[in-house]
Amino acid sequence: DQQVKQNSPSLSVQEGRISILNCDYTNSMFDYFLWYKKYPAEGPTFLISISSIKDKNEDGRFTVFLNKSAKHLSLHIVPSQPGDSAVYFCAASGPNQGGKLIFGQGTELSVKP
Amino acid sequence: KAGVTQTPRYLIKTRGQQVTLSCSPISGHRSVSWYQQTPGQGLQFLFEYFSETQRNKGNFPGRFSGRQFSNSRSEMNVSTLELGDSALYLCASSLGPGQGQGYTFGSGTRLTVV
Repeated sequence: DQQVKQNSPSLSVQEGRISILNCDYTNSMFDYFLWYKKYPAEGPTFLISISSIKDKNEDGRFTVFLNKSAKHLSLHIVPSQPGDSAVYFCAASGPNQGGKLIFGQGTELSVKP
Repeated sequence: KAGVTQTPRYLIKTRGQQVTLSCSPISGHRSVSWYQQTPGQGLQFLFEYFSETQRNKGNFPGRFSGRQFSNSRSEMNVSTLELGDSALYLCASSLGPGQGQGYTFGSGTRLTVV
């Protein structure tokens, strides 16, 4: 039972344009959502998060949007840079779940110069 | 400061053997979580320890176990290895059992079962 889904395994974007990565979830108990970035041979690196009481969180070039009614979140990267090329994972956690994160399958982003 | 250290980085074991993986958290971090990453299943939560106590457990068989020591270092053990246990095992540490963003991941241990 895949509670967090990233339906696009890959995404290719031109440098300078917007990258939009999508994530859907099924468990309405999730109250915290995160995006991680992962390079090969490294562990995931935290990027940005959002609590379920918000619908948007921004950090520099990265913005996460949360649509609770649709159980959908998205990560926008503007402008995209070649160094952003990596695998992006969305993750979710529920109340009092601490470090128990439920991850999506990941989307491989390729930003072309 | 040093990050999360996982040893060994690579490991090859034979079916039926057992293996122990080690994780040294960032100094001062007391919470450690373990994840398994495979191409088919993605990143899956194994267990979480805080102050030597298991706080959460994922849906893995009893062959997978872990523990945390008084210095917060953690080990996970897999007994009676199966081919399907081949994966990247990731450890993450945090000051306390927060909600994800406080967790720093190590680079993982790549386990291959032959």
